[in-house]
Amino acid sequence: SQTIHQWPATLVQPVGSPLSLECTVEGTSNPNLYWYRQAAGRGLQLLFYSVGIGQISSEVPQNLSASRPQDRQFILSSKKLLLSDSGFYLCAWRGGTGELFFGEGSRLTVL
Amino acid sequence: EDQVTQSPEALRLQEGESSSLNCSYTVSGLRGLFWYRQDPGKGPEFLFTLYSAGEEKEKERLKATLTKKESFLHITAPKPEDSATYLCAVETQGGSEKLVFGKGTKLTVNP
Repeated sequence: SQTIHQWPATLVQPVGSPLSLECTVEGTSNPNLYWYRQAAGRGLQLLFYSVGIGQISSEVPQNLSASRPQDRQFILSSKKLLLSDSGFYLCAWRGGTGELFFGEGSRLTVL
Repeated sequence: EDQVTQSPEALRLQEGESSSLNCSYTVSGLRGLFWYRQDPGKGPEFLFTLYSAGEEKEKERLKATLTKKESFLHITAPKPEDSATYLCAVETQGGSEKLVFGKGTKLTVNP
C-alpha cells in the first residue's frame, strides 16, 4: 500500500533562516505531488505541484521554492524565512481517481 | 474564479443528534467533489469522492450527497469520536491538477 512521509514534524526557525521540508512517497511510481499550506482561519492553499521529476508548477508568488529531485521525493525550501511563512505545511500525492492523500504535516513557526 | 464555501464554520452537537454540513461551490465545470476529515495537528484524511449530481456515498455514520450547486455531509447519530474539521474540495474540468478547498466546518460532538 502507498504511504507518504513528511519531516520534520515541527520546527521553530528565526526570521531570515533557511528552510527545507521533505516529503517522500512509497508504494507508487510517478505520482503527482503537491505542497499545501494551512494557516489559522484559512483554507488549504496550494503552493506547488509536480507531475514528474524536475517539473514544478508554482501557484502563489512567495518566498518559497520546490524541487523534485527523484520520482517519489518532493522538497519545499526557502533561502530566508519570513514571519508570514509560519503555518502547517502538507504534502500530498494524487490517487488514480483524483483524490489527494496527505502526509501528517510539518508545523513551522517563524520567530 | 472557482470558489468553495462551507457552512457552518463550527457546529456543536450532542451525541446522537443528527445534522448536516454544507459545501456550496461555484466552478466553471465540476470534475469531482471531495470530502476530507482533519483531526487537530494531522493531515486531512480522505472520505469520499462525488462526481455527478444525484450521487451519494456512505461510510459508517457519514453520508455525502451532491447536487449541481452544493454537497451535503450528513452525520447520523454522531459520536464524540466524529469530532473533527470536515473539509470539502472541488476539482474543475479543463485538465487542471488542482483541488480548491473550503475553509472547513469544525464539528464538536459532546457526550
